[in-house]
Amino acid sequence: EDKVVQSPLSLVVHEGDTVTLNCSYEVTNFRSLLWYKQEKKAPTFLFMLTSSGIEKKSGRLSSILDKKELFSILNITATQTGDSAVYLCAVEARGDAGGTSYGKLTFGQGTILTVHP
Amino acid sequence: EAQVTQNPRYLITVTGKKLTVTCSQNMNHEYMSWYRQDPGLGLRQIYYSMNVEVTDKGDVPEGYKVSRKEKRNFPLILESPSPNQTSLYFCASSSDREGETQYFGPGTRLLVL
Repeated sequence: EDKVVQSPLSLVVHEGDTVTLNCSYEVTNFRSLLWYKQEKKAPTFLFMLTSSGIEKKSGRLSSILDKKELFSILNITATQTGDSAVYLCAVEARGDAGGTSYGKLTFGQGTILTVHP
Repeated sequence: EAQVTQNPRYLITVTGKKLTVTCSQNMNHEYMSWYRQDPGLGLRQIYYSMNVEVTDKGDVPEGYKVSRKEKRNFPLILESPSPNQTSLYFCASSSDREGETQYFGPGTRLLVL
């Protein structure tokens, strides 16, 4: 059974701090790892990682994947109160039909990040 | 505007009364999926579809049905809802191009009494 575990489950920091969120996984027929941010609504996409060792960056957020050790980290530097959210990690397995289509997605429990002013 | 819509947004129903939650996307996406989100359990995939007439089970398909007769629509059917299906449901879609974002609908909050 595919499995995704995120840590920590909850994190409280002050504005300006740097945080690292962890995601480890076990999945058959891995295709990609995805990070989402969820505030009080639907998740919004942050990153998709398919290759080991290549960092993806978007502003103060960055993420990297280690396919050998089966984990990924999401870094947020100079945190702001607007970063407060649940951060979700998901792993995609290649669908039975193969090709480039999305297959089955398994999500972790999420990390609740609270940033205080 | 590119979007995924779900209806209804909120629904209270009783055990055993069949219901359908609709999902529609206007981006000509091949891939669509249904998730449920429960406290402490995160998001769990119910069913997904990689194209018209192609569907497959996710992690928690029991008690649900789906169909994909048209590319833009992917309804979720609960033939005989039970209280353990009380949850927040999300529909999502994406294209099948490598690296494409998955778009989520606004969510449907379902309460089964």
